[in-house]
Amino acid sequence: DAKTTQPPSMDCAEGRAANLPCNHSTISGNEYVYWYRQIHSQGPQYIIHGLKNNETNEMASLIITEDRKSSTLILPHATLRDTAVYYCIVGRPASNTGKLIFGQGTTLQVKP
Amino acid sequence: SAVISQKPSRDICQRGTSLTIQCQVDSQVTMMFWYRQQPGQSLTLIATANQGSEATYESGFVIDKFPISRPNLTFSTLTVSNMSPEDSSIYLCSAGGPYEQYFGPGTRLTVT
Repeated sequence: DAKTTQPPSMDCAEGRAANLPCNHSTISGNEYVYWYRQIHSQGPQYIIHGLKNNETNEMASLIITEDRKSSTLILPHATLRDTAVYYCIVGRPASNTGKLIFGQGTTLQVKP
Repeated sequence: SAVISQKPSRDICQRGTSLTIQCQVDSQVTMMFWYRQQPGQSLTLIATANQGSEATYESGFVIDKFPISRPNLTFSTLTVSNMSPEDSSIYLCSAGGPYEQYFGPGTRLTVT
């Protein structure tokens, strides 16, 4: 079973920040939080990952609570191209024989 | 990052036949994974493909139905054997970077 809980869908206005929440209350100490997204008819795309500190890259920011039981993915200025299913996943790094278990994700609809 | 290609991109097959899907990575990777995505659903992990050893299958997937080869650090194949209409899905491979996975575009399989 997936170890994360996400809202099934969210809307966001184009140009505004999209904040996607994720609960992972059973996360263990050596598990990371990963975010992927899947645009229609494409393979999933890696976005960002983190262990306990907040992280930022060119695509998004990841905010992890101090107790690590939840996190938020922030797309600072959403565009129509950001419309996708966003998956929050917890797991060990792939190089450490970790595997990713996908839940149902959040379908983000960015509207003009 | 890694670039993943898959062949074929799509196929229509008859019931009872087998199809082999190829996955090529543009760099050497330790871990490769195979997923299935049924229509309108999330991704389900089929197996982990390790170079030099037998694949590790997830619950509900067996080697006789989904034999996997991993002859080197850049290539893997998944065979869908004795196909039925229930095998109609998108099959995706991924390769593990140090902390993330990169996905191929998928193979869309239709079984008639």
